Amino acid sequence: DTGVSQDPRHKITKRGQNVTFRCDPISEHNRLYWYRQTLGQGPEFLTYFQNEAQLEKSRLLSDRFSAERPKGSFSTLEIQRTEQGDSAMYLCASSPWTGAGENEQYFGPGTRLTVT
Amino acid sequence: DAKTTQPPSMDCAEGRAANLPCNHSTISGNEYVYWYRQIHSQGPQYIIHGLKNNETNEMASLIITEDRKSSTLILPHATLRDTAVYYCIVTNFGNEKLTFGTGTRLTIIP
Repeated sequence: DTGVSQDPRHKITKRGQNVTFRCDPISEHNRLYWYRQTLGQGPEFLTYFQNEAQLEKSRLLSDRFSAERPKGSFSTLEIQRTEQGDSAMYLCASSPWTGAGENEQYFGPGTRLTVT
Repeated sequence: DAKTTQPPSMDCAEGRAANLPCNHSTISGNEYVYWYRQIHSQGPQYIIHGLKNNETNEMASLIITEDRKSSTLILPHATLRDTAVYYCIVTNFGNEKLTFGTGTRLTIIP
């Protein structure tokens, strides 16, 4: 399967702990995105990278959140000092952005985080 | 980005065409219409997008009105596996984030 993969698929953690999620995009895609989805809502944008450069961050991405894409391939999303409000599905997507104005994104299966 | 309006839910009989409407009356000239769907407990799946002309691919057809203020996604022969939440999103070049609303929950009935 050559789609977007995410690891782990499920994570249960206690409030105050740190967690890290990994996303492996489709290999030839240069853009990578993180979204968060809570129950009953559509996904909300968090941040995106072009290669290794982080180009935009949402206001939703508080100081406790950090994302990296060190070599322009896989990406990690870390949440420090987790809170119950962080419980959500964290989705990763990638796209083969060419600058032509069209930007279909391909999503992974998500990591479901539960903070107890 | 232009705001979109979709019905919260729709039913369609298996084997029939499912027609999902989307209103985007404030769309501007350089904004594309994208459709994604999300099957329960999975990540969203890209379906199709268009700017002005009607588009068709192996999954669906997208019909955009001449004034571009609304569009319809057509699944020509709906199957039970098409049961999902369908999102209509309008976005323009240079705006990389997708802004999802609450979409239309489509239920295919056997």
